[in-house]
Amino acid sequence: QSVLTQPPSASGTPGQRVTISCSASGSTIGNNFVYWYQHLPGTVPKLLIYRSHQRPSGVPDRFSGSKSGTSASLAISGLRSEDEGVYYCATWDDTLSVVFGGGTKLTVL
Amino acid sequence: QVQLVQSGAEVKKPGASVKVSCKASGYNFTNYAIHWVRQAPGQRLEWMGWINGDKPITRYSQSFQGRVTITKDTSATIVHMELISLTSEDTAVYYCAREGYLSGLLFDSWGQGTLVTVSS
Repeated sequence: QSVLTQPPSASGTPGQRVTISCSASGSTIGNNFVYWYQHLPGTVPKLLIYRSHQRPSGVPDRFSGSKSGTSASLAISGLRSEDEGVYYCATWDDTLSVVFGGGTKLTVL
Repeated sequence: QVQLVQSGAEVKKPGASVKVSCKASGYNFTNYAIHWVRQAPGQRLEWMGWINGDKPITRYSQSFQGRVTITKDTSATIVHMELISLTSEDTAVYYCAREGYLSGLLFDSWGQGTLVTVSS
């Protein structure tokens, strides 16, 4: 089964830019789009990035996604206290199943 | 507006089964698949499976193969997820979420979550 690896934690101060990585075992990310979700305490997950780098309507351009080879990244610029939460990457694998990364807990210092 | 409204919390004993429903409204039901994702306490999001919006096609995670069944009532725009042979490890919040075929949006709308507690 495919595995997506994320760092367990990340942090930054208000206004900073932080990057969260997502690397794949195998060719999942290389062959498929990557999606990013924000899961804030007490809320349901929210789609931030789809098709690796596109933002749904309403998502601020402070959030950006990129993909290269078997890795992807989510960048958050102008960090705010309300960005504190857990961020997940996801992609499809070759069996038409969705795979989530382990999640990265973002702390705004 | 788009809404996915799930059934209420459940408490089950080990070995029992649970059926969670997801009522969709505010969009063309047949243009979107519905997926089920769960999150156990302190754990990652875990994908369980999906059902096609306009055809009776399903796909399940290997982790749940044989234990999970996803069905739908297209006329009522409701999707059900049934999980059998429950153990304490199935205690989790279960979410439904939609996928748009044309838009490429994966999980752009989520249900509110249903807490399933498995305890003797």
